[in-house]
Amino acid sequence: EIQLQESGPGLVKPSQSLSLTCSVTGYTITSGYDWSWIRKFPGNKMEWMGYISYSGSTNYNPSLKSRISITRDTSKNQFFLQLNSVTTEDTATYYCARGGGPHYFDYWGQGVMVTVSS
Amino acid sequence: DVQMTQSPSYLAASPGESVFISCKASKSISNYLAWYQQKPGEANKLLIYSGSTLQSGTPSRFSGSGSGTDFTLTIRNLEPEDFAVYYCQQYYEKPLTFGSGTKLEIK
Repeated sequence: EIQLQESGPGLVKPSQSLSLTCSVTGYTITSGYDWSWIRKFPGNKMEWMGYISYSGSTNYNPSLKSRISITRDTSKNQFFLQLNSVTTEDTATYYCARGGGPHYFDYWGQGVMVTVSS
Repeated sequence: DVQMTQSPSYLAASPGESVFISCKASKSISNYLAWYQQKPGEANKLLIYSGSTLQSGTPSRFSGSGSGTDFTLTIRNLEPEDFAVYYCQQYYEKPLTFGSGTKLEIK
């Protein structure tokens, strides 16, 4: 069974960087598919942030392009999100998911809530 | 970006009833549309892709229809476990975009 699990700090200060990890079990991220980060803001708006492909290439939402980086550690079957220069508007629940390029998302993590506050 | 307009934002219904959720794209997206179910504390569940194809494990009381710009998610004979938030998502082009969500509550 494919499972994804997000982890990372629940509180980040404004202007700092947000860093999250997605751990994948049941499927090797280099075997295929794209691996995305998606967030849901308070009020329920959902935003696709970007993905890293099975080959290691990346694609980002232009709305975030200057602040986002998605990387991976293939030895641990994990991929990562870094979002720089955060503001309170980055407060959201962050999800990792399989899919993205363009494609639907067939497996999701449960999400991790991140609050940006001083 | 393709804007996805989802309605209604809130829906109250009773078990056994049928409900319809609409999703309209700002341009034609062919049938590159997915529907998801979201419940607190659970992973989001893919229900339907390609506008009308049920994902493995999706109960047959769920159905999707439409193509181009107008799409509908239909849930017939509501079960207690169906009360959740539903989202549509287009994957015709990047950036991938979602509808604003429909919260389905028990009447």
